[in-house]
Amino acid sequence: KAGVTQTPRYLIKTRGQQVTLSCSPISGHRSVSWYQQTPGQGLQFLFEYFSETQRNKGNFPGRFSGRQFSNSRSEMNVSTLELGDSALYLCASSLQAGGFDEQFFGPGTRLTVL
Amino acid sequence: AQRVTQPEKLLSVFKGAPVELKCNYSYSGSPELFWYVQYSRQRLQLLLRHISRESIKGFTADLNKGETSFHLKKPFAQEEDSAMYYCALRLGRGGKLIFGQGTELSVKP
Repeated sequence: KAGVTQTPRYLIKTRGQQVTLSCSPISGHRSVSWYQQTPGQGLQFLFEYFSETQRNKGNFPGRFSGRQFSNSRSEMNVSTLELGDSALYLCASSLQAGGFDEQFFGPGTRLTVL
Repeated sequence: AQRVTQPEKLLSVFKGAPVELKCNYSYSGSPELFWYVQYSRQRLQLLLRHISRESIKGFTADLNKGETSFHLKKPFAQEEDSAMYYCALRLGRGGKLIFGQGTELSVKP
């Protein structure tokens, strides 16, 4: 069974630009969560999507947004990039939201903002 | 506010020694706690969760609601245990996890 895939793996942008990251969950998984990982703040929850609906949201500004498609693939978008947005962005998929299902993490997308 | 605290950034032990990675949480609801591990150049993966009360790779963790702790223990550390360990608290329904800052475990030969 293929694992969670994230594209691109590495990305370099400049301040003010916007970026879109993609996450393909494990086949059959309907829930996708996104996390930001930085040395200073650690792993922080961004949002979770289930059946194309945002189910949970973290404490990030509105510049961070996401969506989920009918095939469960998810994208997150960051507009007006700031230097502090440089981070590893991880997505995780699970069978369903609600009861506990193990989350499987992708390899991450390393975003560098110059 | 909900919070997970791992007080040690780095824990270094010798092979065969006992190891305990500390985790304390702050949460007013009924907690669901997990330990995740990330080996070098590998993805973050679930190690164990308090509900299952399993022992995975020799590691155990007991939820102590009185002390709001969920420490990870192993009686005899192995070199292959060297990794980053994250304690996480699940909030409500769904997949929202609050992670601690992580503890790097280094097991020396």
